[in-house]
Amino acid sequence: GAGVSQSPSNKVTEKGKDVELRCDPISGHTALYWYRQRLGQGLEFLIYFQGNSAPDKSGLPSDRFSAERTGESVSTLTIQRTQQEDSAVYLCASSLNYLLTDTQYFGPGTRLTVL
Amino acid sequence: QKEVEQNSGPLSVPEGAIASLNCTYSDRVSQSFFWYRQYSGKSPELIMSIYSNGDKEDGRFTAQLNKASQYVSLLIRDSQPSDSATYLCAVIRNTGNQFYFGTGTSLTVIP
Repeated sequence: GAGVSQSPSNKVTEKGKDVELRCDPISGHTALYWYRQRLGQGLEFLIYFQGNSAPDKSGLPSDRFSAERTGESVSTLTIQRTQQEDSAVYLCASSLNYLLTDTQYFGPGTRLTVL
Repeated sequence: QKEVEQNSGPLSVPEGAIASLNCTYSDRVSQSFFWYRQYSGKSPELIMSIYSNGDKEDGRFTAQLNKASQYVSLLIRDSQPSDSATYLCAVIRNTGNQFYFGTGTSLTVIP
């Protein structure tokens, strides 16, 4: 079946502009996760959704970052007033339930470049 | 101190050898441990998960967990060139709802 999809695959933007990144999880997966991976670095956990709710937003790097999920399906990660340090690959993952032991399936990522 | 630490490598082993990847974590209450494989330019994929002390084997892969020493390792037996990738260690605390990933160890298996 279809895996996790993300769009766009690449995004180049100018400093100060807002960007919106989209994630479509595997159908039926109730949990959704957003990560950031800077070049040569590990994954940085940003936020997760259980259904449409995000119980813990403390992983978001700043108040310029926000995320929402609707219909227990698609999620968007919005970065306002982008900065060069926001340049990274943004990965989305989903799992069947929000159990710590559930396997997360990752999407292909969105490569964001802020000029 | 980072939540999860890994030797970034690169680690090179000849084909057929055993590759040993190590990971240490800082929070003693961590309960769940994962190894992900990430090929260059690709997304991570789960290789192994382990939750209790000891060894867990799955094919050529063995995960080892030692909670007293706060380390988790991944052994790859009969290494193949297709195993060449970055291996990410991930840890989940018993409390809280965040995953912590290490920076990954780059493995190259030389034919």
